[in-house]
Amino acid sequence: SQQGEEDPQALSIQEGENATMNCSYKTSINNLQWYRQNSGRGLVHLILIRSNEREKHSGRLRVTLDTSKKSSSLLITASRAADTASYFCATDPVQGAQKLVFGQGTRLTINP
Amino acid sequence: DGGITQSPKYLFRKEGQNVTLSCEQNLNHDAMYWYRQDPGQGLRLIYYSQIVNDFQKGDIAEGYSVSREKKESFPLTVTSAQKNPTAFYLCASSPGLRSYEQYFGPGTRLTVT
Repeated sequence: SQQGEEDPQALSIQEGENATMNCSYKTSINNLQWYRQNSGRGLVHLILIRSNEREKHSGRLRVTLDTSKKSSSLLITASRAADTASYFCATDPVQGAQKLVFGQGTRLTINP
Repeated sequence: DGGITQSPKYLFRKEGQNVTLSCEQNLNHDAMYWYRQDPGQGLRLIYYSQIVNDFQKGDIAEGYSVSREKKESFPLTVTSAQKNPTAFYLCASSPGLRSYEQYFGPGTRLTVT
């Protein structure tokens, strides 16, 4: 199964509210990355958090990493209609081939 | 402008035909990747290349082939052996294989009928 699994699969909130998405993984990682994909487009890198980091911020984004629980969360504060997109986590496993493993994604809809 | 380009954006082919998808980058990245994305799904790795003239199979390489003759280019051929080729194909690049963010192209939507 996928190394990274996002939860929930879909999330719909009102503009201005905060959105939280979670990612769980199974094996030890070097880092975890979050990407955004607008419908029918390529992915855009949002943030990378290393295994020795617990929290990172970038603008309205806050990412946490709990390696003991093998989980990460992405918080988008004060959401905007333009945040409507799918969000994917990707893990860089310590063991195995040198490649990122993407989860299935969370589809976020921001209602005006 | 630096970036990664894919062409064409939409591609239509008849079943049984091979088709080649283009991917070019001018970011001077060593590593390049091809992913397949089906509706509502995540990305699955087809092939990746760490350096010119070298590439490795990903998780779903059957029915696909690649070449890496130049650092800037990593074309993907979808052969007639691929049983379900209709999908959205994404190319990406990164400075190296590990611990780097990947830069994605806009994608090619392939429809085979």
